[in-house]
Amino acid sequence: QSALTQPASVSGSPGQSIAISCTGTSSDVAGYDHVSWYQQHPGKAPKFILFDVNNRPSGVSDRFSGSKSGNTASLTISGLQADDEAEYYCCSYARSNTWVFGGGTKLTVL
Amino acid sequence: QVQLVESGGGVVQPGGSLILSCAASGFTLSAYGMHWVRQAPGKGLEWVAFFPYYGSNTYCADSVRGRITISRDNSKSTLFLQMRSLRTDDTAVYFCARDTSNWAFDYWGQGALVIVSA
Repeated sequence: QSALTQPASVSGSPGQSIAISCTGTSSDVAGYDHVSWYQQHPGKAPKFILFDVNNRPSGVSDRFSGSKSGNTASLTISGLQADDEAEYYCCSYARSNTWVFGGGTKLTVL
Repeated sequence: QVQLVESGGGVVQPGGSLILSCAASGFTLSAYGMHWVRQAPGKGLEWVAFFPYYGSNTYCADSVRGRITISRDNSKSTLFLQMRSLRTDDTAVYFCARDTSNWAFDYWGQGALVIVSA
């Protein structure tokens, strides 16, 4: 159950698009289309923003999208806004009712 | 509206025990799987345990196996996490989260801080 690998930080200017990668193994990301993403502002609980690679829960902006190729999933945020500045975590189902998170990526909006 | 409220956190000595509770409201607890996820200070999220809505089998991370028990009382709409033989690296904010049945976590509580220190 090793953590998925995410870049420690990414940055972008308002209006730009950024992508955050999430790399796992054949036991998690590559093995299942059950990758989800969470946004966490400092001192707050995580917020659910994507499930099953590229599905948005009700109420989540369509500026958030996801994809997956092999053992790497990605979150893309388009039209960056100041409030997008937060920590982002990927998570993958990893067989036998276990899950594994990524280490988190801090997004800075310049 | 869906609400999850954790309680029971605090300071405990290494080797000690603690029970966290998660009070659920706004939905029928028995119809949903529930998780515990933790976050050490300044660190990332770590999945801890899962209690499906069906059956009685539970599942947990290797890092806590044998030291935790996840349970639920559907009649009281409450999820529990019993922790024992606590270590300093168990220090974290513990969140309860609802399972979506899409292998994700849709609603989260605000968390309960557990500090393991002598």
